Amino acid sequence: SQTIHQWPATLVQPVGSPLSLECTVEGTSNPNLYWYRQAAGRGLQLLFYSVGIGQISSEVPQNLSASRPQDRQFILSSKKLLLSDSGFYLCAWSGGQGFISYNSPLHFGNGTRLTVT
Amino acid sequence: GQNIDQPTEMTATEGAIVQINCTYQTSGFNGLFWYQQHAGEAPTFLSYNVLDGLEEKGRFSSFLSRSKGYSYLLLKELQMKDSASYLCAVKGYSTLTFGKGTMLLVSP
Repeated sequence: SQTIHQWPATLVQPVGSPLSLECTVEGTSNPNLYWYRQAAGRGLQLLFYSVGIGQISSEVPQNLSASRPQDRQFILSSKKLLLSDSGFYLCAWSGGQGFISYNSPLHFGNGTRLTVT
Repeated sequence: GQNIDQPTEMTATEGAIVQINCTYQTSGFNGLFWYQQHAGEAPTFLSYNVLDGLEEKGRFSSFLSRSKGYSYLLLKELQMKDSASYLCAVKGYSTLTFGKGTMLLVSP
């Protein structure tokens, strides 16, 4: 069966510090991978998605970046955190083959609660 | 782009039936998903509709009308553990866009 691991679960970082959140998927190959952010009182906002190694699409302009160095590894980074980067960050995967798998749901990791102070 | 609307909050009583509505406007449509999210946790997949009609899965059912841009999630025999946020999400050409969620509070 497929599993998704995301760490750390919680993180408190000062403004201006760097960030690295990691996500790995097991039990599937060539998944589509996603980073979402959920701010307090707001919906899930798609930040990045990837259909393959080295392929990253950005949905919103921001000071965050994403990388996919391996098929089942997705990393969210920032060089300098802002207060507005606080939120609940969720990594997710869905069936691959590009976006042909229309009925493949997103499966989320447990999330990282980031507080920027 | 995508625009998804659902009520912010709903309350219901244990054992009752509740219907959570979702309306959407989208430039491309490849299915509608419902997710459940308990406080502090990640969303979990509940249902998927791509054709018009009702999909039933145990106590939960989901309905879709593509011509009306409308869906609802029906929860029967409510239990206390059903207190959660319910997220409506629309699959466009390539990605999934979520509504802000409906917070359901089930009382004894």
